[in-house]
Amino acid sequence: AQSVTQLDSQVPVFEEAPVELRCNYSSSVSVYLFWYVQYPNQGLQLLLKYLSGSTLVKGINGFEAEFNKSQTSFHLRKPSVHISDTAEYFCAVTRSGGGSYIPTFGRGTSLIVHP
Amino acid sequence: ETGVTQTPRHLVMGMTNKKSLKCEQHLGHNAMYWYKQSAKKPLELMFVYNFKEQTENNSVPSRFSPECPNSSHLFLHLHTLQPEDSALYLCASSSRDRVSEKLFFGSGTQLSVL
Repeated sequence: AQSVTQLDSQVPVFEEAPVELRCNYSSSVSVYLFWYVQYPNQGLQLLLKYLSGSTLVKGINGFEAEFNKSQTSFHLRKPSVHISDTAEYFCAVTRSGGGSYIPTFGRGTSLIVHP
Repeated sequence: ETGVTQTPRHLVMGMTNKKSLKCEQHLGHNAMYWYKQSAKKPLELMFVYNFKEQTENNSVPSRFSPECPNSSHLFLHLHTLQPEDSALYLCASSSRDRVSEKLFFGSGTQLSVL
């Protein structure tokens, strides 16, 4: 089985500042990794995903994430945040080699962007 | 617009009521999910349907009863709920054939049990 840890439940930041949301995973097999975003009163939507290849993945809205296999991490970054980035962010993992296709989600990190 | 539609968006019900949540997708997906999202808690997987067959029941109390009449529709029937069942209920769908495929989520039904 795999698990996902998002250490920060809340990350406050000022507008135009950089931000990093941390995600660590645990799995005995190869995985696919995802970041989802949930804006207020909405469902989750995909920001980006890592399947294979380049460890730096770029997603929508200027976000990017880097897969680090040795540290089992998949941290999400943005060089300059906007007020509209205020949302809940979820890291998720799925086995890549078949078996269960159901993703395991982290607890979520609330990003709060202040003007 | 994700292609997954949930109705109603909000629902208030008493503990003795019976109600149903509806989810609909026309994305050609063959897997559908119910998740429960409570404040300050992780996203909880409740049920998974794969080609209309239930493949996962994550120890959900029997007062929640799912139904999947076809691969495009998913229902969650509710009866004799408890106040602690108040939460956002999210439906999602995906293509079972591609493990790397993302989940498409609906906007959820915000349920309040009085």
